[in-house]
Amino acid sequence: DAGVTQSPTHLIKTRGQQVTLRCSPKSGHDTVSWYQQALGQGPQFIFQYYEEEERQRGNFPDRFSGHQFPNYSSELNVNALLLGDSALYLCASSFRHSNTGELFFGEGSRLTVL
Amino acid sequence: GDSVTQMEGPVTLSEEAFLTINCTYTATGYPSLFWYVQYPGEGLQLLLKATKADDKGSNKGFEATYRKETTSFHLEKGSVQVSDSAVYFCALRAGGFKTIFGAGTRLFVKA
Repeated sequence: DAGVTQSPTHLIKTRGQQVTLRCSPKSGHDTVSWYQQALGQGPQFIFQYYEEEERQRGNFPDRFSGHQFPNYSSELNVNALLLGDSALYLCASSFRHSNTGELFFGEGSRLTVL
Repeated sequence: GDSVTQMEGPVTLSEEAFLTINCTYTATGYPSLFWYVQYPGEGLQLLLKATKADDKGSNKGFEATYRKETTSFHLEKGSVQVSDSAVYFCALRAGGFKTIFGAGTRLFVKA
C-alpha cells in the first residue's frame, strides 16, 4: 500500500520563476492538504483540497494556488517566486470521513529559490 | 486565533533518561490534539492523539494526556532510546479543516 508520494524531492529555482509540485495521496484517501515548513519551524497550512475544490486556505498570498484531479492527486503552484519561498513543502492526505483528523505526510519537496 | 506553543529545543538526553516535552494550546471549542514525529530525512508521522479532555494518547512508550483545565498536552516517555532522536511536533485541529502545528522540539539522545 503506497503512502503519500511527492515529486520532485528537490528543486532549485530563481526569483520570479514559477514552480509546480505534485502529490499522490495514500490509497483510499480523498483529501489533500499542503503545508510549508521553513527551516527549523513547524509546518504552516497553505490550503486543503477536497472534491477538486479548495476547501480552506491559510494565510498565503494568491501566488500560491493548487489543483486537485479526479484521481485525488494534487498540485501546488507558486508563481513569482521569492527568496522567502525557500522551504520544504509537505503534502498530507486524509479521508473525509475520518473522525480522528490524522494526517499522512509525504517526505516533501525541498524548494530552494536563488 | 488557534495556536500551539511547545518548549524550545534542542533537548539532549542520555539513553534511558526520562523525557518531557511541554505543549500548551489556545483554541476555541474542543480541539483534537496530536503529537507528530519527524525522523531525519522523513516526513511527519502521527505518534499519538487525544480527542477529548482527560484522554490519554499512547504509542511506542510515549504518552500524553489532554488537560483542558491547563490547556496542555505534554509528551512523556519513561526511558528514551537513541532511536527516539527526532523532531517532535505538537498539533491541534479545532473548527475547520486545518491542523495547526507548533514550532517543533528537536530531541537528541546520546548512547
